[in-house]
Parts: sequence; structure tokens; C-alpha cells
Amino acid sequence: GEDVEQSLFLSVREGDSSVINCTYTDSSSTYLYWYKQEPGAGLQLLTYIFSNMDMKQDQRLTVLLNKKDKHLSLRIADTQTGDSAIYFCAEINNNAGNMLTFGGGTRLMVKP
Amino acid sequence: AAGVIQSPRHLIKEKRETATLKCYPIPRHDTVYWYQQGPGQDPQFLISFYEKMQSDKGSIPDRFSAQQFSDYHSELNMSSLELGDSALYFCASSYLGQGPGELFFGEGSRLTVL
Repeated sequence: GEDVEQSLFLSVREGDSSVINCTYTDSSSTYLYWYKQEPGAGLQLLTYIFSNMDMKQDQRLTVLLNKKDKHLSLRIADTQTGDSAIYFCAEINNNAGNMLTFGGGTRLMVKP
Repeated sequence: AAGVIQSPRHLIKEKRETATLKCYPIPRHDTVYWYQQGPGQDPQFLISFYEKMQSDKGSIPDRFSAQQFSDYHSELNMSSLELGDSALYFCASSYLGQGPGELFFGEGSRLTVL
């Protein structure tokens, strides 16, 4: 999506941390999401963050939100080969409709 | 826990035919969204419903229509199918009263138009 941008590709070694970045343009975004999509599969909700938060941690996942820079990141600790997938960042501004706008997705490749 | 259920999972149609996709949201969710994902693309918003009324409209072609029924399930009707309609169609649901907060997707319906 043109209003949400992500880098196309990230390659890491198993056991390392992965950091996937996302920038968005809508300063009124209220919720920001990370979804994981494996080949031919659906969109799995990993985590989401409300815009009044700057960090959220859930097991191996850490989401950081910098509202000033409109930057969202997803850190995956101890990355495993099963984490290989496409990761989509998405945002909602629920004061202007309730549709998710997705980034183009980042393909994460984890090498053994 | 119950998830968003979509049917059929796979559908093959000829050009100019009609297709209907169904979506059963998570129980107690009041909002349903439809998305289209072409090969190698990010999901594009088509249309959404809140409490059985159309809520928002995205890039849905005029050949497509959708509705949400009294039991909150939704159907996406696609007519005069074109080759370019081949895609994964996702339905998602949420409880708007809280946010929307958690917004879950179904596994998708893969439509192939020959």
C-alpha cells in the first residue's frame, strides 16, 4: 500500500534477532498491526499496538512504535526457520473508516 | 477458539461466470471486512459491514456485491468474472465496540478464473 511502506526482504541466521521495519503516513492511525503470511496461507495476526503505546512485548515478539517518526518495528528474538514468511504491517485510522491499510510485506528468510 | 471461517477454500470458474464466497465471523464480532490479494501483492480492501450495514467501501468493482446477514455471516457475490479476478479473497472480523483491536482473518478463498 502506498501509505504504508516496508522493505521487501530480510535474511537472518537461525538464533539471531530479526527486525522488520515499517513506516506509515497517517498520523491519525489508531491501531497498528503485524500479520504473518506463509506461502498460500492466510494472514495470521501476530500482535497489534494501540497508538498511545510505544512498546508491546509478547514472548519472542517486541513491537516498537515511534509516533513522531511514524515508524513501527517488529523484533523477533531467537529467530527460527519456522519464522520464515512474509510479514505485513497494517494500520487503521478508526476515525476515518475501519479498513486496514497494508504495507507491501517483508519476506523474512531464516537460514539454518 | 473459533476463528473466521471462509468457504469454499478453492473455487475454479470460467470467464463471465458468477461466484459466491461466504464468511462466518468469530462469534460476537460485529464487523466483517473483505480483502482481495493478488499474486505477490498486499491485501486490498474491498468492503466492510458493521452490524449488517455497509460500513466502508474500497476498491470493489461494480460487478461485485456483498452483504451481511442477520446471523452476521457475509457473502461476496462476483459476477461477469474476469481473468484478473483470480486472487485470494480474505474475510476478517472484529468487535468494533472495543476498538477494533484484534482483527482476525480467515484462511481465504482462492478463486481461479479460466
